[in-house]
Amino acid sequence: DAGVTQSPTHLIKTRGQQVTLRCSPKSGHDTVSWYQQALGQGPQFIFQYYEEEERQRGNFPDRFSGHQFPNYSSELNVNALLLGDSALYLCASSQTGTDYGYTFGSGTRLTVV
Amino acid sequence: QKEVEQDPGPLSVPEGAIVSLNCTYSNSAFQYFMWYRQYSRKGPELLMYTYSSGNKEDGRFTAQVDKSSKYISLFIRDSQPSDSATYLCAMPLGGTSYGKLTFGQGTILTVHP
Repeated sequence: DAGVTQSPTHLIKTRGQQVTLRCSPKSGHDTVSWYQQALGQGPQFIFQYYEEEERQRGNFPDRFSGHQFPNYSSELNVNALLLGDSALYLCASSQTGTDYGYTFGSGTRLTVV
Repeated sequence: QKEVEQDPGPLSVPEGAIVSLNCTYSNSAFQYFMWYRQYSRKGPELLMYTYSSGNKEDGRFTAQVDKSSKYISLFIRDSQPSDSATYLCAMPLGGTSYGKLTFGQGTILTVHP
């Protein structure tokens, strides 16, 4: 049973560009959350999607947007990239209503130059 | 003040030692207390979680929660080199499978043979 799959694993972008990161949740999971983890820091919550709607959002600017598809997969889009957006972006999936917790993917390492 | 504080270490111990990892928090609304382990270049992996105050044991790992002091701990007995990783405490607002997770900074642990 595949866990959470994220693509790509690594990405280098230029300041001002736009990027799309992708996530396939663990089988049976219907909720997807995105986190940003800067080097040496804990993950910071970006937003969560459930039933194709953004259910909750953290303190991130509107440059960060997302989408959830009917098959529960999700995308994270970041516009007008800044050097400070360089980080590990983690996707976590869960089954709402259970006590099984979140399963994290291995992340996408984004470097903005 | 951050909602969740965690000493980043690093912590270096000999194999077989007892390890104590700790977090403090400020939000009284937190009811679940989670510990994640993150190996280099990987996403966080849920080790265990507790609900409200008390202790929970799982093999070599014991989690403790003291809600009166807003203080949580993770103890690792008979530590092994394979335990070398970053340990993150995390607290969800809501249940264990929905709502945002607020993480500590993470403690880097090295267990040397």
